[in-house]
Amino acid sequence: DAGVTQSPTHLIKTRGQQVTLRCSPKSGHDTVSWYQQALGQGPQFIFQYYEEEERQRGNFPDRFSGHQFPNYSSELNVNALLLGDSALYLCASSSRWTGGMNTEAFFGQGTRLTVV
Amino acid sequence: AQTVTQSQPEMSVQEAETVTLSCTYDTSESDYYLFWYKQPPSRQMILVIRQEAYKQQNATENRFSVNFQKAAKSFSLKISDSQLGDAAMYFCAYRGPQAGTALIFGKGTTLSVSS
Repeated sequence: DAGVTQSPTHLIKTRGQQVTLRCSPKSGHDTVSWYQQALGQGPQFIFQYYEEEERQRGNFPDRFSGHQFPNYSSELNVNALLLGDSALYLCASSSRWTGGMNTEAFFGQGTRLTVV
Repeated sequence: AQTVTQSQPEMSVQEAETVTLSCTYDTSESDYYLFWYKQPPSRQMILVIRQEAYKQQNATENRFSVNFQKAAKSFSLKISDSQLGDAAMYFCAYRGPQAGTALIFGKGTTLSVSS
């Protein structure tokens, strides 16, 4: 089991550009959440996808958008990049089905985005 | 809105000693989950331990245990017999009752372990 995989691991973009980050969830998981982690801070929830729809959203502007594909993988898109978007972007996968089993989120290693 | 507070930005411990990391939270829900995650320099967030709010018994995982005080909304992590590999950033996180919903994290505590 490869766990949660994210690509790319590092990325440098210029202000105003657009970026796409990718995430493949852990096998058996159907829900993908994205978090932004600024240096020295805790992760902040961006949004969550389940059944190819955005189900929950944190306090992030519309410049942040996403998509989930039928195979449960997901993309995070950020338009009109700002210097303040520089952060570690974490993807977490989980399962909506509880059934008495563990329901915690598993995280990928993140994508380090630097905006210059 | 739910909040999670970690009041210790940094903690240090000697190898083989015990250290306790503090966490408080605020919620109006009666059913929820609490977690401690470890984030080493490799960046990957690793689940250390979890606690269901409806369970009165404190969770334990080998050298890691929690002190869950529901009325006080407190959720501390105790690391016994500390090892050099325990050095990392530790995050306390809250999640509502529905599986797969958003985690709310504290700002973290950096733990250093000396030999």
